Amino acid sequence: DSGVTQTPKHLITATGQRVTLRCSPRSGDLSVYWYQQSLDQGLQFLIQYYNGEERAKGNILERFSAQQFPDLHSELNLSSLELGDSALYFCASSGGTGEQPQHFGDGTRLSIL
Amino acid sequence: GESVGLHLPTLSVQEGDNSIINCAYSNSASDYFIWYKQESGKGPQFIIDIRSNMDKRQGQRVTVLLNKTVKHLSLQIAATQPGDSAVYFCADYNAGNMLTFGGGTRLMVKP
Repeated sequence: DSGVTQTPKHLITATGQRVTLRCSPRSGDLSVYWYQQSLDQGLQFLIQYYNGEERAKGNILERFSAQQFPDLHSELNLSSLELGDSALYFCASSGGTGEQPQHFGDGTRLSIL
Repeated sequence: GESVGLHLPTLSVQEGDNSIINCAYSNSASDYFIWYKQESGKGPQFIIDIRSNMDKRQGQRVTVLLNKTVKHLSLQIAATQPGDSAVYFCADYNAGNMLTFGGGTRLMVKP
């Protein structure tokens, strides 16, 4: 058990809809990272938050946004969903911002019908 | 952009044998590398890491070797067990906070 909790585990919705994925980091970790894992592209970094502030941005679409709350949990919002957004979305956390292991949750599987 | 890749997409080994999973990285500025194990339905699980000032690091039944000259990383698993069956990813830090993952190698352990 990594200590990182993601909800929901599965999400099925339709094109054009909006969903929110939630992540609770390991106790004491200040950084939260979001990744997308699809069959044809592996794990892709989306965005990082550190203590409530955006820290780094990867290949995140404009339709996607995230935030980190004062209690350090994070939400990833996906809007105007397209079929190609079907993927596993993982959250990871680490203690700080430097080069250190990131610990992953078990992901949310998003299926767009 | 820079990327981390893997030589072998699938590796099949006999239970009890040693396994070697290879990884090539392209960013010569990368100085911290991590191996992750991902089982079906789970998130990536940290196995072992190594910094560029080392060329070898050992854990429990696992060893990571780093060859900076040829930008190559390997994960050795001793006495491979059925529970080691999973997809293994190497990853490296570049551009500061971004962890870049390779494409993954599936390890299949035959009983």
